[in-house]
Amino acid sequence: GQNIDQPTEMTATEGAIVQINCTYQTSGFNGLFWYQQHAGEAPTFLSYNVLDGLEEKGRFSSFLSRSKGYSYLLLKELQMKDSASYLCAVWSRGNNRLAFGKGNQVVVIP
Amino acid sequence: DADVTQTPRNRITKTGKRIMLECSQTKGHDRMYWYRQDPGLGLRLIYYSFDVKDINKGEISDGYSVSRQAQAKFSLSLESAIPNQTALYFCATSRAGETGELFFGEGSRLTVL
Repeated sequence: GQNIDQPTEMTATEGAIVQINCTYQTSGFNGLFWYQQHAGEAPTFLSYNVLDGLEEKGRFSSFLSRSKGYSYLLLKELQMKDSASYLCAVWSRGNNRLAFGKGNQVVVIP
Repeated sequence: DADVTQTPRNRITKTGKRIMLECSQTKGHDRMYWYRQDPGLGLRLIYYSFDVKDINKGEISDGYSVSRQAQAKFSLSLESAIPNQTALYFCATSRAGETGELFFGEGSRLTVL
């Protein structure tokens, strides 16, 4: 089975940096994915990591350590529109499908 | 127009009724999924299909059934709805291969009284 853990909520100020952590346990790991979900809307894909290290995509970066079963999503220069839930998801070969964590709600304040 | 379309978007029904949620896609993807989302529980996989002849159970398939009528269509049925099936349901698609990049529909909010 898969066990994916994320903190539930955090508040940050506009313009600041926020780091959202995700730990996981799975067999046959084949990729870690981050999604953004605004309230009442569908999740949308942000980034993914298959190999260890940092992947940068504009204001968003994602890091993976496979040996530690750990990833984080870094949001820089926070904007009000970044207020959303951020979902961590793991793809494993054994299950051949994506399993989601419960999500981390980020609230950006002025 | 949305690439992944779900109907209905909102539905209120009574316990014991049969409900069908429909999903159609114009992305040309082989793989389709049904998830439900509940507060505090995240997204959980109900069923998935990798092509027209393929149906697989997910984590929480009890009380649900699916039909993959064509590559572009994947419907979810609740044969006899119960209140704890009240949730937000999402259909999603992905390309073939080992990819976790899913494309979601806008969701169907179902309330079972």
